[in-house]
Amino acid sequence: DVKVTQSSRYLVKRTGEKVFLECVQDMDHENMFWYRQDPGLGLRLIYFSYDVKMKEKGDIPEGYSVSREKKERFSLILESASTNQTSMYLCASSLWSRGGFFGPGTRLTVL
Amino acid sequence: AQKVTQAQTEISVVEKEDVTLDCVYETRDTTYYLFWYKQPPSGELVFLIRRNSFDEQNEISGRYSWNFQKSTSSFNFTITASQVVDSAVYFCALSEGYGNTGKLIFGQGTTLQVKP
Repeated sequence: DVKVTQSSRYLVKRTGEKVFLECVQDMDHENMFWYRQDPGLGLRLIYFSYDVKMKEKGDIPEGYSVSREKKERFSLILESASTNQTSMYLCASSLWSRGGFFGPGTRLTVL
Repeated sequence: AQKVTQAQTEISVVEKEDVTLDCVYETRDTTYYLFWYKQPPSGELVFLIRRNSFDEQNEISGRYSWNFQKSTSSFNFTITASQVVDSAVYFCALSEGYGNTGKLIFGQGTTLQVKP
């Protein structure tokens, strides 16, 4: 069974902390994505990657960075967490015909 | 600019009722793809359907059906004889252009509650 896993389901951090959200896929997909989900706004693309060590900004990259050192792993980094980054974060990898596979999400609270 | 609008924030129906979720999109591209996803309480998005801009045939899959109308830029989703298990947040999404980019623009989502 294909899988996208995210390191944590729930995370609580303090303002100013550096936060790492990890995503791993076992489908050998080249494309991976990080989305942020907020009520009334749907999902918004933060960053995506087409290949190892490649990354491109999405619609809301400010305050975030990413790392893709291995094909199966795509990390989202909050260099200095702020309260407005409290949100649900969803990772996805893309299999075109199936509309992509999403992880279960990480609900991040920044206090 | 690309945009997807799901005007219905929340819908509540009683089991066995039919329900239609609306989706209106904006794009300047002639080639694009439209998607519907279901997000149950567990949180994981589940892919339901993909439709390309050249295929306006309606599709039916069990109790689910989709109506794509380019003339009104709409891609509506109907659940027939709704069940409690259909309770979820449903997202419509748009992807432009050719190729396997996987970049999606999502609507705001519609929360469907099906009461027994």
